[in-house]
Amino acid sequence: DIQMTQSPSSLSASVGDRVTITCRASQSINSYLNWYQHKAGKAPKVLIYTASSLQRGVPSRFSGSGSGTDFTLTISNLQPEDFATYYCQQGHSFPYTFGQGTKLEIK
Amino acid sequence: ELQLVESGGGLVQPGGSLRLSCAASGFTFRSYEMNWVRQAPGKGLEWVAQISTSGSSRRYADAVKGRFTISRDNAKSSLSLQMNSLRVEDTAVYYCTRDEGAEGVNNWFDPWGQGTLVTVSS
Repeated sequence: DIQMTQSPSSLSASVGDRVTITCRASQSINSYLNWYQHKAGKAPKVLIYTASSLQRGVPSRFSGSGSGTDFTLTISNLQPEDFATYYCQQGHSFPYTFGQGTKLEIK
Repeated sequence: ELQLVESGGGLVQPGGSLRLSCAASGFTFRSYEMNWVRQAPGKGLEWVAQISTSGSSRRYADAVKGRFTISRDNAKSSLSLQMNSLRVEDTAVYYCTRDEGAEGVNNWFDPWGQGTLVTVSS
């Protein structure tokens, strides 16, 4: 199985900040990396697919990059609604696996 | 509007069974592979199972293989998860989600339902 490792596990930031979350795969997954936002009690929501493609309707302050084994999610100009938990997920091969999550909290 | 609505969760004793359902609307259900993903309390997301468009191909996480069965009814736009021999560690919110992309390229999940809680406890 492909292991996905996210860092950091938690992050404190302020409205207006720029933050970066990293995700590392245990083997190359090309660009088959997706990012989700999850708020407690709500359905997870895809933000970025195939490493850098912005899902329709997602604000442009979200961006993704990377290929192979190393990927990043960047959120610019943090807004109050962005405080949530973020997960990466590899869509390269079964079983599909997620990172352990990064909880983004308000400083 | 795309919508997935899960039902069937509840409290069950270890060793018991439960059947989850997911009603899909707003898209051509028969054209998409479908998945179940779960989240145990205080834990991250875990992919559970996937079914092909026709239902002829099914894949499972090792943790549920042999105990869970995913199925679909394309005429009713419905997805199901039959869970047998339930264990305490199966306690989680179970989400129904549509598969985007294609095998061998990239696969991601969109949209997701709100989830249904399964609690396995004596």
